[in-house]
Amino acid sequence: NAGVMQNPRHLVRRRGQEARLRCSPMKGHSHVYWYRQLPEEGLKFMVYLQKENIIDESGMPKERFSAEFPKEGPSILRIQQVVRGDSAAYFCASSPRQGASEQYFGPGTRLTVT
Amino acid sequence: TQLLEQSPQFLSIQEGENLTVYCNSSSVFSSLQWYRQEPGEGPVLLVTVVTGGEVKKLKRLTFQFGDARKDSSLHITAAQPGDTGLYLCAGVELSNDYKLSFGAGTTVTVRA
Repeated sequence: NAGVMQNPRHLVRRRGQEARLRCSPMKGHSHVYWYRQLPEEGLKFMVYLQKENIIDESGMPKERFSAEFPKEGPSILRIQQVVRGDSAAYFCASSPRQGASEQYFGPGTRLTVT
Repeated sequence: TQLLEQSPQFLSIQEGENLTVYCNSSSVFSSLQWYRQEPGEGPVLLVTVVTGGEVKKLKRLTFQFGDARKDSSLHITAAQPGDTGLYLCAGVELSNDYKLSFGAGTTVTVRA
């Protein structure tokens, strides 16, 4: 039973480019959560999605960041016109139903903006 | 956002010693979780504590939830090098049962 999968594991982008981070939830999970971890800081909630719906995006910057979870395929976190401050580890978690008690985390994508 | 403060930030001890990590907040949480994170990997859930005053044991690890559900502690007895890692506490918000608020973590190093 495969866990949460994220790709790429490492991503290097120059300032101004776009970054696309993918998250495939565990089989049977239809709820996805994205978190960002800056160096020396804890994970910060960004967005919660169910299939085709954004439920809570209160932790996501209003500009340049967007997320989707289409009916088919992985969830995508998209960062346009990246800046150095976007360098971080981005984790997604999935759960079979809404709630924090059953969130399983993926290995993360380390984004480096040069 | 409800904030969780973890202390200490770094902890280095000799194999066989005991250690305690603290997680404190001024906010009440519906439950609190402890995770362990290895370098280059995602957090892995160790335990969830739900009831104020609850104590849970996982082999040599003891987790306690404060009576007021604002703080928690993780105690490791007779630490081993395999216990080395980043320990994170995360509170589940009362109003949003899906949202985890994480502390910054405690990096534990156990020397052989």
